[in-house]
Amino acid sequence: DVKVTQSSRYLVKRTGEKVFLECVQDMDHENMFWYRQDPGLGLRLIYFSYDVKMKEKGDIPEGYSVSREKKERFSLILESASTNQTSMYLCASSGQRPQHFGDGTRLSIL
Amino acid sequence: AQSVTQLGSHVSVSEGALVLLRCNYSSSVPPYLFWYVQYPNQGLQLLLKYTSAATLVKGINGFEAEFKKSETSFHLTKPSAHMSDAAEYFCAVMVYGQNFVFGPGTRLSVLP
Repeated sequence: DVKVTQSSRYLVKRTGEKVFLECVQDMDHENMFWYRQDPGLGLRLIYFSYDVKMKEKGDIPEGYSVSREKKERFSLILESASTNQTSMYLCASSGQRPQHFGDGTRLSIL
Repeated sequence: AQSVTQLGSHVSVSEGALVLLRCNYSSSVPPYLFWYVQYPNQGLQLLLKYTSAATLVKGINGFEAEFKKSETSFHLTKPSAHMSDAAEYFCAVMVYGQNFVFGPGTRLSVLP
């Protein structure tokens, strides 16, 4: 069974902090994704990666960056956290299709 | 570009009643279609997928969906709702070589 693990379920940070969200998958998937989920807006794609050291912007990349140094790990970085980045963050991975999701990280920026 | 609409942000049914969650998509080429379920404080779990084989797709937990090309729809149904079905449901569309596009979600409440 595919396992996508996000390092934290709940996280509280302060405005201006640099925040790292980690995601690890165990199925040797090429593709990994970061979404944020907000009420009424569904899932919005922040960044994705189709290979190691490769990244592509999604629909809402502003204020975020990513890192994929190893195939199994995809990190989302909030360079300088702001209150409007308070949200649920979901990581997903896929081979061909479909996408498999982690349990999410609920991030609060105070 | 493809898009997904889900009619009704919140649907309530009685336990034992039919569940019908609506999904319509737009795509210029034949799509792959998916339904996901999200329980509180969890990630998304795949319910079922349509990948151009049979138009009636059966998934987990008794759910099924029918792909209707003429209506550009992929509605999710279950004959008899159970309390444990209360969750948020997302429809998603993917075209080969492009990313997933998710609908806004429908929250299903099941009343005793």
